[in-house]
Amino acid sequence: AQKITQTQPGMFVQEKEAVTLDCTYDTSDQSYGLFWYKQPSSGEMIFLIYQGSYDEQNATEGRYSLNFQKARKSANLVISASQLGDSAMYFCAMRERQAAGNKLTFGGGTRVLVKP
Amino acid sequence: GAVVSQHPSWVICKSGTSVKIECRSLDFQATTMFWYRQFPKQSLMLMATSNEGSKATYEQGVEKDKFLINHASLTLSTLTVTSAHPEDSSFYICSARYLSGGDYNEQFFGPGTRLTVL
Repeated sequence: AQKITQTQPGMFVQEKEAVTLDCTYDTSDQSYGLFWYKQPSSGEMIFLIYQGSYDEQNATEGRYSLNFQKARKSANLVISASQLGDSAMYFCAMRERQAAGNKLTFGGGTRVLVKP
Repeated sequence: GAVVSQHPSWVICKSGTSVKIECRSLDFQATTMFWYRQFPKQSLMLMATSNEGSKATYEQGVEKDKFLINHASLTLSTLTVTSAHPEDSSFYICSARYLSGGDYNEQFFGPGTRLTVL
């Protein structure tokens, strides 16, 4: 079974509007972390936001917020006030405490294209 | 934030040759480095986990004799693609883990190396 599922392969969003990127995960671990990364066409992986499994509040970083619903095992990324520079691939990832080396497992990604 | 560099950023080589890719943590010590492979329009797939001073741990299906990993110091890990073939053409990304002392152990990614094997 997929550990990280991103069901939206691609999305269009109008500039200045908000967009929500879906991410669901599967783990039996009690302690885990969820990450979102942005990958522009240059290829670099840019860390956006982190949510720990024990964090009671949803993480926020500027225009990025994470809608963490633990019971549903979902960690959706919300980008507010989209900008043209937000056009990129977005990856959700999970780190499980029991995973050897604390490795990350990535979802398949969602391509976002912001329209002017 | 912490910086991870990769060299070269892109390389073109002939089939049958070997290619070495370097991953360096520039301003922190990384006890663990990770090597990923990414095919076009696909996600990152972990190839191996590299710990300083010990043998790398390879993911299932990754040929350790083909993808040689050396983590000789706390700031440098190398990936050597031996006897490269066109199917090895891909985007290779490394990341280095910084132990922050808390539960949140960050991984910092390098800019990636695009390998094209002719």
